[in-house]
Amino acid sequence: EPEVTQTPSHQVTQMGQEVILRCVPISNHLYFYWYRQILGQKVEFLVSFYNNEISEKSEIFDDQFSVERPDGSNFTLKIRSTKLEDSAMYFCASSGSKGLTMNTEAFFGQGTRLTVV
Amino acid sequence: AQKVTQAQTEISVVEKEDVTLDCVYETRDTTYYLFWYKQPPSGELVFLIRRNSFDEQNEISGRYSWNFQKSTSSFNFTITASQVVDSAVYFCALKVYGGSQGNLIFGKGTKLSVKP
Repeated sequence: EPEVTQTPSHQVTQMGQEVILRCVPISNHLYFYWYRQILGQKVEFLVSFYNNEISEKSEIFDDQFSVERPDGSNFTLKIRSTKLEDSAMYFCASSGSKGLTMNTEAFFGQGTRLTVV
Repeated sequence: AQKVTQAQTEISVVEKEDVTLDCVYETRDTTYYLFWYKQPPSGELVFLIRRNSFDEQNEISGRYSWNFQKSTSSFNFTITASQVVDSAVYFCALKVYGGSQGNLIFGKGTKLSVKP
C-alpha cells in the first residue's frame, strides 16, 4: 500500500540552525501539506502546496519557513533559523490523485520529531 | 470561522466496553468534509474515515461506527467491544470546500485508554 515517507524520524538541532525536513508523498498525489503538532497539543496546519507553488499557509508559516519540491518525488520543509518553540512533530501529508477533487482524504507520514536545544 | 471541539480530553475504559468519542464542529460553509484520524503511541496519524456534508448516512466498519448529525453539528465515533489496541489519541477534523485547497482543522483530540 502506498504511503507517505518522512525522514529523518527524529532530528535534534541547536537553536539558530537551519533544518530541512524531507518527505516523499504518495506518487500520484497532487496536493502536499505540512502540519505540526507541539507535544500533547492538537495538529496544526502550516502550508499546502500544489502545482509547484504554495496555495495556502497559516499564520505559523512565517518567513522562517519555506517549502520546496526540488524534484518529482521529494517535498521539503525548511526552517531557516530554528527557535526553541519550533520543537514539535512535523507531519507531511498528501492527497488528491489526478481526476479526483482535492477534497479527498489526506494521508500522513509518520512524522519527524524536531527537538531544538 | 471553522472550529472542531472534542470536549473529552481523556477517556478510560475496560476492554470489551463500548465507547463513544464526541466531535462537534462549527462552519458556515454548506459543503464540507469531516474526518477521524487515529494517533497510536507510535505517533503516526492514521486516516479512519471521511464524510461529506451532503451525506448523513451513518457508517459502520467492523467495530467502528460513525454518527453524523448535521442538526447538532456532530460527528461522533463509537468503538464497540473496545480492545487494548484501540488505545490512542483520536482526532476529529474538518475541511471546508472552497476556492483554495483548504486545510484540515483538527480538534484537540481525545486520548482513549483501554485497559485489559
